[in-house]
Amino acid sequence: KQEVTQIPAALSVPEGENLVLNCSFTDSAIYNLQWFRQDPGKGLTSLLLIQSSQREQTSGRLNASLDKSSGRSTLYIAASQPGDSATYLCAVELQAGTALIFGKGTTLSVSS
Amino acid sequence: GAVVSQHPSRVICKSGTSVKIECRSLDFQATTMFWYRQFPKQSLMLMATSNEGSKATYEQGVEKDKFLINHASLTLSTLTVTSAHPEDSSFYICSAVRVRTASNEKLFFGSGTQLSVL
Repeated sequence: KQEVTQIPAALSVPEGENLVLNCSFTDSAIYNLQWFRQDPGKGLTSLLLIQSSQREQTSGRLNASLDKSSGRSTLYIAASQPGDSATYLCAVELQAGTALIFGKGTTLSVSS
Repeated sequence: GAVVSQHPSRVICKSGTSVKIECRSLDFQATTMFWYRQFPKQSLMLMATSNEGSKATYEQGVEKDKFLINHASLTLSTLTVTSAHPEDSSFYICSAVRVRTASNEKLFFGSGTQLSVL
């Protein structure tokens, strides 16, 4: 059974710092992996999607990598800002069009 | 981009009442929709898979008679929490599958519903 783990559970950093969020999954047979942002009491915002054949994706200050063989992904946030404060969720899709399996998330707090 | 509308965004109800949550795909047809539940500080957990025109598939531990799912059209799935109790208080969120080709499928999420049962 696929399990997704995110470390750390919570992270507090000062503004401007670069940071890395970690995600691991137990079964490397995935279709894709996504990183989401969730604000308190809100829905999900898709940040980056990495197909199983890809190694990384970039969007602005965000960079996500995928090492499928080792079952790991990282989300790199450069020059963090207070507006980045949110919970970041990692999720894997095992086959096209199937439900995502989520990690518990990393709650990030960026202080000004 | 594709949009999935979920209503209501927040509902407070008394114990014993039923609550209906709607999930609509606004600009595409979705034969499959997923319903998730998220307790505080926990992960989103899949509750059930909703298939248009057929019975929903429930995950282990989810009571199908308590969480009624109806997917009567290609753009609408509803989740009804029957006889809600305080332990049903949670964040419920749906996602819909948009199929363009056999190799081009994408998931879109609703904005979620925060249910509080008093």
